Amino acid sequence: DGGITQSPKYLFRKEGQNVTLSCEQNLNHDAMYWYRQDPGQGLRLIYYSQIVNDFQKGDIAEGYSVSREKKESFPLTVTSAQKNPTAFYLCASTTSGNTIYFGEGSWLTVV
Amino acid sequence: DQQVKQNSPSLSVQEGRISILNCDYTNSMFDYFLWYKKYPAEGPTFLISISSIKDKNEDGRFTVFLNKSAKHLSLHIVPSQPGDSAVYFCAASAGTSGSRLTFGEGTQLTVNP
Repeated sequence: DGGITQSPKYLFRKEGQNVTLSCEQNLNHDAMYWYRQDPGQGLRLIYYSQIVNDFQKGDIAEGYSVSREKKESFPLTVTSAQKNPTAFYLCASTTSGNTIYFGEGSWLTVV
Repeated sequence: DQQVKQNSPSLSVQEGRISILNCDYTNSMFDYFLWYKKYPAEGPTFLISISSIKDKNEDGRFTVFLNKSAKHLSLHIVPSQPGDSAVYFCAASAGTSGSRLTFGEGTQLTVNP
């Protein structure tokens, strides 16, 4: 089955720790995205990548880092510099059209 | 600067009636608009889209209307069903394919049996 897989679905982070959220897609999509959703807010773009080995900051990139070494994979690291990391994180991908396909999401909670 | 706004955080309708979800945008460069539906703790799923060259697009019970002069679009669901209860996000993009989407804040739709 083609799709986008995010893992883990639930993750707890201690203060000061870096954590990495995984995103893998087997849709052969060129572009991949990371969004964050907070209660009562829309999806906000963290980082995006249009091609392998290239990525751009989105609207709220501070405290996050990404890599795009393979077309299928776009991991997101939430660093200790991110002051308010507790949120629902969504990975997405798209190809030639503008319709974006999303993964199931990952819940990150700081404890 | 919120370029895509959904001014109603919630909407409640009776089963069988029409649900109308609204979305306004400010960026005149936006030329492609989409609606996504999201259940709790899941990723959004694509519902319907419309290009700026059209003013209406229909898919089953879902119709999206675009008023470019007013920079306004709406999603109509007829008839509404309890399974339609979810958060609906409006999104917009400008220009080239694969370009970034800007999302609204979402509207929680509740369809009561």
